[in-house]
Amino acid sequence: GAVVSQHPSWVICKSGTSVKIECRSLDFQATTMFWYRQFPKQSLMLMATSNEGSKATYEQGVEKDKFLINHASLTLSTLTVTSAHPEDSSFYICSARELAGGWYEQFFGPGTRLTVL
Amino acid sequence: EDQVTQSPEALRLQEGESSSLNCSYTVSGLRGLFWYRQDPGKGPEFLFTLYSAGEEKEKERLKATLTKKESFLHITAPKPEDSATYLCAVLGHSGGSNYKLTFGKGTLLTVNP
Repeated sequence: GAVVSQHPSWVICKSGTSVKIECRSLDFQATTMFWYRQFPKQSLMLMATSNEGSKATYEQGVEKDKFLINHASLTLSTLTVTSAHPEDSSFYICSARELAGGWYEQFFGPGTRLTVL
Repeated sequence: EDQVTQSPEALRLQEGESSSLNCSYTVSGLRGLFWYRQDPGKGPEFLFTLYSAGEEKEKERLKATLTKKESFLHITAPKPEDSATYLCAVLGHSGGSNYKLTFGKGTLLTVNP
């Protein structure tokens, strides 16, 4: 399968600071990228969907001013957690979708563990 | 609304003891059923995508099958390294311009040596 990378793999920050997480599709161009959040022992929760050059579409209940998404190219999306607070501590996972031969494939990054002190 | 139910929630097997995981789904306009493996502290690892009823795919000790209502992930002669959470997801048109993956809660598989 195709490879999706995320950076950093973990980050610790102080409350009130902003943190940027990068997501790259390494060997394919992603038609769409997604950001998920996962709490311990729970399944993935979709936060937002983004297409290159367009504004992200946020799921209900996700604050778009707190979780800024930029999808600058077909291989790069970034998630910025602004003014982070301890309740934003979580495991953030990006995903990239490829359209090949009329069918969709979707791959996930390794995740970023965010801890806000 | 698309729905995915996985069973069992947890499964313990002895090494070499074959079994199956179930994924039942309802979806509006299925565009694919996905199986992923997730290890603790890591992102989901892609295993298979199935697109139409009757389709089967294999990879090492894993075989995925699909009907119009459910999918099975068969594990043949599992090894301890197969221990992980297995996630099933469907890609459907839940409205709007983007197709979204709807995940089940996963099956936690433990294979004892």
